[in-house]
Amino acid sequence: AQKVTQAQTEISVVEKEDVTLDCVYETRDTTYYLFWYKQPPSGELVFLIRRNSFDEQNEISGRYSWNFQKSTSSFNFTITASQVVDSAVYFCALIPGYNFNKFYFGSGTKLNVKP
Amino acid sequence: SAVISQKPSRDICQRGTSLTIQCQVDSQVTMMFWYRQQPGQSLTLIATANQGSEATYESGFVIDKFPISRPNLTFSTLTVSNMSPEDSSIYLCSVEGGANEKLFFGSGTQLSVL
Repeated sequence: AQKVTQAQTEISVVEKEDVTLDCVYETRDTTYYLFWYKQPPSGELVFLIRRNSFDEQNEISGRYSWNFQKSTSSFNFTITASQVVDSAVYFCALIPGYNFNKFYFGSGTKLNVKP
Repeated sequence: SAVISQKPSRDICQRGTSLTIQCQVDSQVTMMFWYRQQPGQSLTLIATANQGSEATYESGFVIDKFPISRPNLTFSTLTVSNMSPEDSSIYLCSVEGGANEKLFFGSGTQLSVL
């Protein structure tokens, strides 16, 4: 089965707090892509990162960092020193077998950052 | 990167009518995808549209309800037919591309059916 689980439906933090968004995936494929997208209130989906199943290196981009662990089938996303502009719904997604016809999205985590 | 223009951005429609959503890409792409995002939900793939062939629909979606056109490599339309309030959703067009091999999304069409 192919599945992406984002157990946190909604998270509220105060500005400057660090926050981690969890993502757990299931796939039988040994090759796959994992993604994070951001959907601000305006509605468009903004690409944040793609990770190949063979690349377990963690990545940092400014205040954003991602922790990919195949042993636990997790691809967690941390925002350091959160800002109000980070308020959005964040989706984790899986493409098994590099097949863009099959893009599995998690249910999303709504992040509220309060000033 | 691909720039996708989608219109209308939002519409309010009466039950029983149809709405056609347009998606224009600034580069030629092989596959275009149509997604639906119901209120507070995740994205669900409706169909994949390849130029020159019939669209491929996912389970639960049928051509009579969601006819799709793909006349060339930069344009596609999705029609939501005989609408009911249950069709109220955001509809998103997307394409694959870019050096990172990712999905690019249009800004979406917010549809409300009364």
